[in-house]
Amino acid sequence: KAGVTQTPRYLIKTRGQQVTLSCSPISGHRSVSWYQQTPGQGLQFLFEYFSETQRNKGNFPGRFSGRQFSNSRSEMNVSTLELGDSALYLCASSFGGFGADHTEAFFGQGTRLTVV
Amino acid sequence: AQSVSQHNHHVILSEAASLELGCNYSYGGTVNLFWYVQYPGQHLQLLLKYFSGDPLVKGIKGFEAEFIKSKFSFNLRKPSVQWSDTAEYFCAVNPRGTGTASKLTFGTGTRLQVTL
Repeated sequence: KAGVTQTPRYLIKTRGQQVTLSCSPISGHRSVSWYQQTPGQGLQFLFEYFSETQRNKGNFPGRFSGRQFSNSRSEMNVSTLELGDSALYLCASSFGGFGADHTEAFFGQGTRLTVV
Repeated sequence: AQSVSQHNHHVILSEAASLELGCNYSYGGTVNLFWYVQYPGQHLQLLLKYFSGDPLVKGIKGFEAEFIKSKFSFNLRKPSVQWSDTAEYFCAVNPRGTGTASKLTFGTGTRLQVTL
């Protein structure tokens, strides 16, 4: 079956702009999480969406937001981009329903965002 | 809040050498434990996971890990590494009871370089 698909793969944006990243989870998965990966901070959890609702949130400023659609696809938005937002943004897909504690997350290839 | 420590940041081994990568976590409750691998240019892939039961778990490509509850450790091992094991390895934990498999806390990663 198809894996987690993230688009676009690469983006270059200017400081102050906003950006929207997209993630299509594995079919049947209803939970989508987003992570930021940087050389300095490693992999950091941004937020998780389940059934179109944000269920968990990490410690990122409000400039980082997301949403989930009824087909479980998710988008992440970053407004007023800063140089420090340059990173690989990863999406993770998991089952998310009852018993989800005993399942694992599957990751997409990521979107590499460069802010100049 | 939970945290994960990976003490080896960069490991260089010759092919056929044995591998052990350390992982310690800090959390007051029960966790699920994972090792993910990121090959150059590829997405994060699950190597192995521990939910409960036998503390020695076997994963793909000959990797295994042992959960030692008293030491809060989940070390990764492989008896004989291959050049193709060159990658970055991440230990991650997911607290039980969050209702999701996708709210992971990652270690900073260990870059493994295997030489011929």
